[in-house]
Amino acid sequence: DAMVIQNPRYQVTQFGKPVTLSCSQTLNHNVMYWYQQKSSQAPKLLFHYYDKDFNNEADTPDNFQSRRPNTSFCFLDIRSPGLGDAAMYLCATSRGTSPGVPEAFFGQGTRLTVV
Amino acid sequence: DAKTTQPPSMDCAEGRAANLPCNHSTISGNEYVYWYRQIHSQGPQYIIHGLKNNETNEMASLIITEDRKSSTLILPHATLRDTAVYYCIVRPRSYNTDKLIFGTGTRLQVFP
Repeated sequence: DAMVIQNPRYQVTQFGKPVTLSCSQTLNHNVMYWYQQKSSQAPKLLFHYYDKDFNNEADTPDNFQSRRPNTSFCFLDIRSPGLGDAAMYLCATSRGTSPGVPEAFFGQGTRLTVV
Repeated sequence: DAKTTQPPSMDCAEGRAANLPCNHSTISGNEYVYWYRQIHSQGPQYIIHGLKNNETNEMASLIITEDRKSSTLILPHATLRDTAVYYCIVRPRSYNTDKLIFGTGTRLQVFP
């Protein structure tokens, strides 16, 4: 059974039109991450939530926002998508409790096309 | 966070062992070594992790050198389904810095 679910798998949006990608998890994990992965590149961390604490990466554009209304759900909002934002967007979760750092579980991703 | 260096690509014959190296010469004492892989068009998948001892699970073995500056992921009997990009990641175990940062990875091609 899928534990990290991303909807939709494929999303087409118009240039400049706001779009929201969603992620849900059944693992009750503290930490949720959003990554952007462009073709033939490694996943790039955009931001992550540790419980309700939001942690933005320094080079994440302001055009990208996130919301986490509860433990199970996390959203990625792209306020004004440009052609350069076309990519696979990956959501991941982990327990994030010490000691040790547990594994992260990834969703299947949402492939965003901007037209 | 410590950086990792991996060869960009490797080939392996089906049924043979695949040995994927990773250099992490700036690793610090509180950082674990993690391995993930990403099969085409799927999300990354956890394989194994370790701190200083060698580790083995149903998927792979992880060999970490005594000085912890490098490691090797071993797939003992590679299959065609092991064709993927393999990422070596060092990750702190601190409560407040729970980030997973991917490097460039190694593209492993398993051939018949």
